[in-house]
Amino acid sequence: SQKIEQNSEALNIQEGKTATLTCNYTNYSPAYLQWYRQDPGRGPVFLLLIRENEKEKRKERLKVTFDTTLKQSLFHITASQPADSATYLCALSTSGSARQLTFGSGTQLTVLP
Amino acid sequence: ETGVTQSPTHLIKTRGQQVTLRCSSQSGHNTVSWYQQALGQGPQFIFQYYREEENGRGNFPPRFSGLQFPNYSSELNVNALELDDSALYLCASSLYPSSGANVLTFGAGSRLTVL
Repeated sequence: SQKIEQNSEALNIQEGKTATLTCNYTNYSPAYLQWYRQDPGRGPVFLLLIRENEKEKRKERLKVTFDTTLKQSLFHITASQPADSATYLCALSTSGSARQLTFGSGTQLTVLP
Repeated sequence: ETGVTQSPTHLIKTRGQQVTLRCSSQSGHNTVSWYQQALGQGPQFIFQYYREEENGRGNFPPRFSGLQFPNYSSELNVNALELDDSALYLCASSLYPSSGANVLTFGAGSRLTVL
């Protein structure tokens, strides 16, 4: 069955450092991979999308890579700030008609001042 | 541009009861998806509605049902509530068809507690 795994433990880093979050998947051939941010008591908010034929995408301090051979995506936040503290979810989808998203369980990131 | 709004924000039910959750889509979106998020887990896909018809369903039993209205708002109905139905229910809207991936705009969710 399809399986998506994110960093198994919460991630604590010092302000100003680069946070790197991982998303690994098995038994899946996604056409798209997305990253969302979720704050406590709120719904997820879309951050970045990368397609299967793209290797890297950037948006301001965010960078995502997608390696379909390794079946892995890395999500980087450079120059991290305490305001970046949140849970980050990766989500995969195919190119089928419904294109439902399958989410990982998320990684809770805490940026320490 | 209004976002996705959900109601109620919190509710408590007892086992065996029925619940209806409501969602208003973001302006310009025509597709609604519902997700269930248990504590400490990622959202799980329940179903999606497009043109007032179910357009994809996850691994949820038939007691989970939904509706989409002509104005693209939606309802999620759950019958015969079980303790395991306690979760955050997220509604998300999107535009279909689109150029590619189904990028979702989520509401803040409805927190359901079943006692």
